[in-house]
Amino acid sequence: AQSVTQPDIHITVSEGASLELRCNYSYGATPYLFWYVQSPGQGLQLLLKYFSGDTLVQGIKGFEAEFKRSQSSFNLRKPSVHWSDAAEYFCAVGAAFNYGGSQGNLIFGKGTKLSVKP
Amino acid sequence: NAGVTQTPKFQVLKTGQSMTLQCAQDMNHNSMYWYRQDPGMGLRLIYYSASEGTTDKGEVPNGYNVSRLNKREFSLRLESAAPSQTSVYFCASSEELRVGTEAFFGQGTRLTVV
Repeated sequence: AQSVTQPDIHITVSEGASLELRCNYSYGATPYLFWYVQSPGQGLQLLLKYFSGDTLVQGIKGFEAEFKRSQSSFNLRKPSVHWSDAAEYFCAVGAAFNYGGSQGNLIFGKGTKLSVKP
Repeated sequence: NAGVTQTPKFQVLKTGQSMTLQCAQDMNHNSMYWYRQDPGMGLRLIYYSASEGTTDKGEVPNGYNVSRLNKREFSLRLESAAPSQTSVYFCASSEELRVGTEAFFGQGTRLTVV
């Protein structure tokens, strides 16, 4: 079955340090992959997405992610974290799936909460 | 451009009460969704509407009903609220129900059932 795993529930990094958030997916074909960010009290905002082509994709706010087919991973990175990056990050896979016969199209991981130390 | 607008932002209900969460999008999207977000569970799909006039169950539909009122509006109804329905509810929309389509989210409704 299709699934998305974010192994880290909570990560704390110092401001200015680099960041990598992990995401692994399970899907039989080449997936469409997304990273969303949710700031406190806000909805989800798309950071970046991968459909095909270059496996390193650039997003907003200085984030990038790399698709590695051999590892079934789509990890999110940022070279230097800012205090405003404190938020919850969700990885998602776009894939056809069924709920008892109905079709959906987006499966989310459980999220990684990022805290930033001054 | 408002995007996806949800009302209300906060709500407290007593067990057994009913209420409707409203959602409207102004992006002329065909597909709309309702998710619930619970700590440690991520987002789970409750119901969705592929296009105006159609609705389908998602992963966790029990205790909810939906109405796709027109292309812009998609409401979620709790007929008899239960404490287990305490959650943050997100409405989303996308151009169409197609693998790889980006979803746009509202700011959420925080619902507490006491």
